[in-house]
Amino acid sequence: ETGVTQSPTHLIKTRGQQVTLRCSSQSGHNTVSWYQQALGQGPQFIFQYYREEENGRGNFPPRFSGLQFPNYSSELNVNALELDDSALYLCASSPYLGREAFFGQGTRLTVV
Amino acid sequence: GNSVTQMEGPVTLSEEAFLTINCTYTATGYPSLFWYVQYPGEGLQLLLKATKADDKGSNKGFEATYRKETTSFHLEKGSVQVSDSAVYFCALSDFKETSGSRLTFGEGTQLTVNP
Repeated sequence: ETGVTQSPTHLIKTRGQQVTLRCSSQSGHNTVSWYQQALGQGPQFIFQYYREEENGRGNFPPRFSGLQFPNYSSELNVNALELDDSALYLCASSPYLGREAFFGQGTRLTVV
Repeated sequence: GNSVTQMEGPVTLSEEAFLTINCTYTATGYPSLFWYVQYPGEGLQLLLKATKADDKGSNKGFEATYRKETTSFHLEKGSVQVSDSAVYFCALSDFKETSGSRLTFGEGTQLTVNP
């Protein structure tokens, strides 16, 4: 059974650019959640996708958007990148609406 | 809203010492409680969980008991090892049929164990 995988592991973007992060959920899981973890802080909930629809959102602006595909994999898109978007982005998959979350290794985004 | 408060770190211990990391929470309803561990450069790994009051979660020698009366979920281990050095996060999850669940994390506690 494969776990949650995220790509890429690291990337560097310039302020104002757009970025897409990808996540493959664990086999049998239909719910994907995304979290942002700034350096030295706990993860913050961005949003959750269940059966290809957004199913809850944290306190993040609309330039953070996402998709979930029929195979339950997911993308996180961030437009108009700001320096404060530099963080570790974590994807978590769950068997049903996030009751128990299993995390990937994360994508380290640096905005310069 | 929901919130989790962890004891301030960092915590430095000698090998075989007793570990306690305090965690208290504020939540409506009946959340599930979790401890996650994060090793350098890695994502989060679930360490243990408890889903209702008085439940005790345990794994790899770590334990935590869900105390509703004190809204606490303190992490303990009787004898730490160098390999336990990591950042530990306390978290709660509130589940709703209409909106699923989301994890609310504390700020994390850095643990360093010296040989």
